Amino acid sequence: GEDVEQSLFLSVREGDSSVINCTYTDSSSTYLYWYKQEPGAGLQLLTYIFSNMDMKQDQRLTVLLNKKDKHLSLRIADTQTGDSAIYFCAERGSSRDDKIIFGKGTRLHILP
Amino acid sequence: GAVVSQHPSWVICKSGTSVKIECRSLDFQATTMFWYRQFPKQSLMLMATSNEGSKATYEQGVEKDKFLINHASLTLSTLTVTSAHPEDSSFYICSASVIWTGVNTEAFFGQGTRLTVV
Repeated sequence: GEDVEQSLFLSVREGDSSVINCTYTDSSSTYLYWYKQEPGAGLQLLTYIFSNMDMKQDQRLTVLLNKKDKHLSLRIADTQTGDSAIYFCAERGSSRDDKIIFGKGTRLHILP
Repeated sequence: GAVVSQHPSWVICKSGTSVKIECRSLDFQATTMFWYRQFPKQSLMLMATSNEGSKATYEQGVEKDKFLINHASLTLSTLTVTSAHPEDSSFYICSASVIWTGVNTEAFFGQGTRLTVV
C-alpha cells in the first residue's frame, strides 16, 4: 500500500537551515504537501508541489522533489524559534476521493 | 485559502456518552470530507471518507457503528463518537476537499477537536 516515511527528529541551531526529508512509495502521487503542526493545534499547510515540478520556493521555504527516487525535501532557511513544530510530509492522487497519506511527522527542535 | 471550521475545539465527556463533532466548509462546497484521528506524538490516521449524500467509507479497523459520520450537505459533515470510552480520547481532525475547475483538487483542514473521555 501507499507509505510515506520521514525521520522523527531533527535538531537545528537558530539561524541555520533545516532540511526535512521524506520518501513515498505511490508513483501515482499527484500532490505532495508539507504541513506544520504546533502543539495542540491543527494542521497548517505550509506548501505543496505538483508532481510535474521539481522545485518550489516560497520565502524561506524551498521544496525539492525527485520523482524518480520518490524523495521530497523541505528546506527552511534561517530557522527561527517559531519554526519549532512537527512537520508532516503527505501525498495524494488527483481524484477527489484520493485520501491524503501522511508520514509520521518530523519534530523540529531549535537549539539556541 | 478556503476555510474549514471544526467545532468544538475541545470537549470533555463522561464515559458512555456520545459526542458530536462538526466540520464545516465556510466558503466553498466540499464534495468530499475526510476524518482523521491523531494519537499523541503520532501521525494522522485516516478514519473515513465521506461524500455528500452517501454513506461514508471507513478504513480497515475503524468501527462504523462507533464513529458515525453524516455528510448531509456540501458544507457540513459530522462525526459522532458513540458510547465514548477513555481509549477514544484523541485529537480528531477533519479535512474538506474541493475540486477547482478541471483536474486540480485541494484539501483543507479544520483546526481539530481534542476529545477527552473521563
